Amino acid sequence: SAVISQKPSRDICQRGTSLTIQCQVDSQVTMMFWYRQQPGQSLTLIATANQGSEATYESGFVIDKFPISRPNLTFSTLTVSNMSPEDSSIYLCSVTNTGELFFGEGSRLTVL
Amino acid sequence: KQEVTQIPAALSVPEGENLVLNCSFTDSAIYNLQWFRQDPGKGLTSLLLIQSSQREQTSGRLNASLDKSSGRSTLYIAASQPGDSATYLCAVPAGAGSYQLTFGKGTKLSVIP
Repeated sequence: SAVISQKPSRDICQRGTSLTIQCQVDSQVTMMFWYRQQPGQSLTLIATANQGSEATYESGFVIDKFPISRPNLTFSTLTVSNMSPEDSSIYLCSVTNTGELFFGEGSRLTVL
Repeated sequence: KQEVTQIPAALSVPEGENLVLNCSFTDSAIYNLQWFRQDPGKGLTSLLLIQSSQREQTSGRLNASLDKSSGRSTLYIAASQPGDSATYLCAVPAGAGSYQLTFGKGTKLSVIP
């Protein structure tokens, strides 16, 4: 299994600001994903982070709102732009090489 | 579109009891199924991964079964402990050949000392 570190673990943000979440993996991984978990809900996939190219976004998520970078096989960032209270969620990075998914501890964002 | 349902949504049991959590999925053309545990406000911990060719997988006090034809999986927890209290999530690939997972809403388990 991979060790996945996410920063920040939590933050309180003001409406209209942007925040970048980092995901660092201790080994090279094939696939990296970003999920969102809204309060009391299950996980929803935001996008697949592609190394060296634009991320692949799921329906309902757009690059302007959630820009993603993946410069190499061990690191990715997710930015939540122009935040509103509806963006208050846990954001989770996940990785896989073999089909078994592993998750980071998540980044809990509260937008006031 | 794959849909995953977990029953019950919440379960409370006394310590020491054996229990079963249920997961059903609509598209049986999956190549694996994964069970996770989530503690409040935390990320997900992978518990068990069952490949489509397997019928069950065991790890310690946990046993997961898979019946693809009926679109069902169960997670059996033996001799439950208060430390088992968490939300348990079932997930399957969103489509053929996909690494993206579709999750159920989870079963929140409380084990009472």
